[in-house]
Amino acid sequence: AQKITQTQPGMFVQEKEAVTLDCTYDTSDQSYGLFWYKQPSSGEMIFLIYQGSYDEQNATEGRYSLNFQKARKSANLVISASQLGDSAMYFCAMREGPEGGSEKLVFGKGTKLTVNP
Amino acid sequence: DTGVSQDPRHKITKRGQNVTFRCDPISEHNRLYWYRQTLGQGPEFLTYFQNEAQLEKSRLLSDRFSAERPKGSFSTLEIQRTEQGDSAMYLCASSSRTDSPLHFGNGTRLTVT
Repeated sequence: AQKITQTQPGMFVQEKEAVTLDCTYDTSDQSYGLFWYKQPSSGEMIFLIYQGSYDEQNATEGRYSLNFQKARKSANLVISASQLGDSAMYFCAMREGPEGGSEKLVFGKGTKLTVNP
Repeated sequence: DTGVSQDPRHKITKRGQNVTFRCDPISEHNRLYWYRQTLGQGPEFLTYFQNEAQLEKSRLLSDRFSAERPKGSFSTLEIQRTEQGDSAMYLCASSSRTDSPLHFGNGTRLTVT
């Protein structure tokens, strides 16, 4: 079973509008971490935002916020005031806790975001 | 913080040849990861080191793949007898703690002809 599911292969948004990129995850651990990365066409993986499973507040970093709904096992990324430079692939990833016995980050297949002028 | 450095950036090799890639993590990071990314996919985990100990290996890491981190600093990933299916971007990442993000290098793009 997939650990991370990103159901939107591609998304389009107008410049200055907000956009939500969906991510659902599957784990039986109580302790885990959720990450979002951006990968522009140049290829580098850029860390955007982190949410711990025990964090009560939704994480925010500048124009990025994470809509964390633990019961639904979803961790959607919200980008406000989109800019042309936001056009990129976006990956959701999860690291399970110590009881999962693994330190690795598991990535989804990604969503390609295109920001239109 | 000079970031994670990978060398080479690109490698073209003929099927059957051996290749070796190098990764220099951020200096204070004791955790080092190797991932492989093919076109249109997310990165797939290959292996993980904490200091010099290789603590986890993916089933993707066949017998032809070997990784080392001899002194707990830089790491090498070797692929023996390369196959066309090995063509991919090989990404290295490092982190300092379990709950901290992975910092990725720019990757080594391997093309096997």
